Amino acid sequence: SALAQSPSASGSLGQSVTISCTGTSRDVGAHNFVSWYQQHPGRAPKLLLYEVNKRPSGVPDRFSGSKSGNTASLTVSGLQAEDEADYYCSSYAGGDNLYVFGTGTKVTVL
Amino acid sequence: QAQLVQSGSELREPGASVKVACKASGYNFNVYSLHWVRQAPGQGLEWLGWINTNRGIPTYAQDLPGRFVFSLDTSVSTTYLQINGLKSEDTGVYYCAVWDDSFDIWGQGTAVTVSS
Repeated sequence: SALAQSPSASGSLGQSVTISCTGTSRDVGAHNFVSWYQQHPGRAPKLLLYEVNKRPSGVPDRFSGSKSGNTASLTVSGLQAEDEADYYCSSYAGGDNLYVFGTGTKVTVL
Repeated sequence: QAQLVQSGSELREPGASVKVACKASGYNFNVYSLHWVRQAPGQGLEWLGWINTNRGIPTYAQDLPGRFVFSLDTSVSTTYLQINGLKSEDTGVYYCAVWDDSFDIWGQGTAVTVSS
């Protein structure tokens, strides 16, 4: 089933916000194949982090990730207006459902 | 640059079929498996499955109905998602995507609306 994320999070301009993603020992807890995506309304998801904390070229270092046990986290530092979006985690799960997404978190920049 | 371009929006009546195309360009099509992801209106992302573009073998999410079929035509670097016997709950945006470490590209999405 889907990885659990808080439905919403918010932070003021310039501040930080952390989003959590809780899975199980069969997905998030089993390995480091956890990714984070940002999605603006009407747009396709954009990769922010892969393998827990690796940033693709072009993603600002304001975006960082970590993992402890079955929970992965995404921190957005120095919030900017354009960071207001939906954020999804994703994990390799193996088995019958190879990949699973999180339920999504809507980030509001105050 | 590498990109996936999907076919346009579709409106179908319940019980009909639809075939969504996803054309790849700018990278070696046979190297990366192609995933399909659905997003129902106002909802999150749901992984539907993937197709091995080298062998043409599809793998479907465990609970995905047999009405969903992945196929490909390597001669035109295109992958297809066909949905038969459409139901209202199939309404949503369907994305094709490739992801492998930092190589991560998504199609623009195809909206499928099932309504009478």
